[in-house]
Amino acid sequence: GENVEQHPSTLSVQEGDSAVIKCTYSDSASNYFPWYKQELGKRPQLIIDIRSNVGEKKDQRIAVTLNKTAKHFSLHITETQPEDSAVYFCAASTQAGKSTFGDGTTLTVKP
Amino acid sequence: GAVVSQHPSWVICKSGTSVKIECRSLDFQATTMFWYRQFPKQSLMLMATSNEGSKATYEQGVEKDKFLINHASLTLSTLTVTSAHPEDSSFYICSASGRTSGTNEQFFGPGTRLTVL
Repeated sequence: GENVEQHPSTLSVQEGDSAVIKCTYSDSASNYFPWYKQELGKRPQLIIDIRSNVGEKKDQRIAVTLNKTAKHFSLHITETQPEDSAVYFCAASTQAGKSTFGDGTTLTVKP
Repeated sequence: GAVVSQHPSWVICKSGTSVKIECRSLDFQATTMFWYRQFPKQSLMLMATSNEGSKATYEQGVEKDKFLINHASLTLSTLTVTSAHPEDSSFYICSASGRTSGTNEQFFGPGTRLTVL
């Protein structure tokens, strides 16, 4: 089955700095790669996603890159703010919709 | 995005009792629903995939006789934790995807926190 590895497990940055989280996946059949932000006790919220026919996608301060050949994808957050502090999960999904999640990254943005 | 509700949001029960959790897609038809379990400070672990009108597909290590899943309609799936024990205490989250959502994007419910005493 699919295996998704996510790094780092914790990340602390100063407000205004950039944060990068990286994931690798194993199943070449995966074609959809969402990123979720989860605050304590709440549901995961989709923040950005990318499909396998695209190499990069950007939405304001958030961007995601995908390297299909190497089977890795990354989340980039620029100009971080304290409210960006949360746990971030990457996931790899097949056409059937089944997702495998990474272990999560706890991001702390210090004011 | 599409809206998925989950009920109850939290439940406390005694060891040995059964608990039913409902997951509803409110504004689209969910051909597939997924049930996850999340322990504190851990990732979401897929328990089973539920397709409307057919038996659920369980992930390895998940007891299908303990976690009963029913997906009787395109808008409702239920997870019943039978004979619950303290080690079943966890955050249970459902998600839904479907033909009218248009993609294989999943829409998550708000989760149910189960505490077994």
